[in-house]
Amino acid sequence: DVKVTQSSRYLVKRTGEKVFLECVQDMDHENMFWYRQDPGLGLRLIYFSYDVKMKEKGDIPEGYSVSREKKERFSLILESASTNQTSMYLCASRAQHWGSYEQYFGPGTRLTVT
Amino acid sequence: DQQVKQNSPSLSVQEGRISILNCDYTNSMFDYFLWYKKYPAEGPTFLISISSIKDKNEDGRFTVFLNKSAKHLSLHIVPSQPGDSAVYFCAVQYNNNDMRFGAGTRLTVKP
Repeated sequence: DVKVTQSSRYLVKRTGEKVFLECVQDMDHENMFWYRQDPGLGLRLIYFSYDVKMKEKGDIPEGYSVSREKKERFSLILESASTNQTSMYLCASRAQHWGSYEQYFGPGTRLTVT
Repeated sequence: DQQVKQNSPSLSVQEGRISILNCDYTNSMFDYFLWYKKYPAEGPTFLISISSIKDKNEDGRFTVFLNKSAKHLSLHIVPSQPGDSAVYFCAVQYNNNDMRFGAGTRLTVKP
């Protein structure tokens, strides 16, 4: 079974803090994604990575950055946390080959910025 | 610009009856469609999918229907069970690129 783990289930940070959210997958997947989930808005793509050291902006990259130094690990960074970044953050991975569409998700990190 | 819309935020059905969840999309270039299920405090899990060359795919109690002319996707659950109570997201994809999700529909199955 594919396993995607996220470093924290719950996180509380103060406005202005730098926040790191870590995601690790154990299936040697090339593609990794970061989403945030908000009520009424569903899952919105923040950043994704097709391979090591590669990154692409999603629909809402403002206020975020990412890092992918190793294939299994994809980090989301909030440079200076703000209250509007309070959300559920979900990481996903997917194999990069034709016909492989399913993304596998981690359990999520609920981040509260006060 | 929402490319994927789930217009019903919630749905309540009786155990044993059919649940029908709907999804509309805007871009006719999308070629793969998926449904995910999400329980509270867990990540979404893949449920069922369909490619644009088909109009129906069935897996046990779950059937996905695709109407390309109407750009409409639906998920049928028959019979519904209390354990099916969750949030259901439809997702669309084009040419193996990144995926777009709807806002979700919260299904409640009453015993």
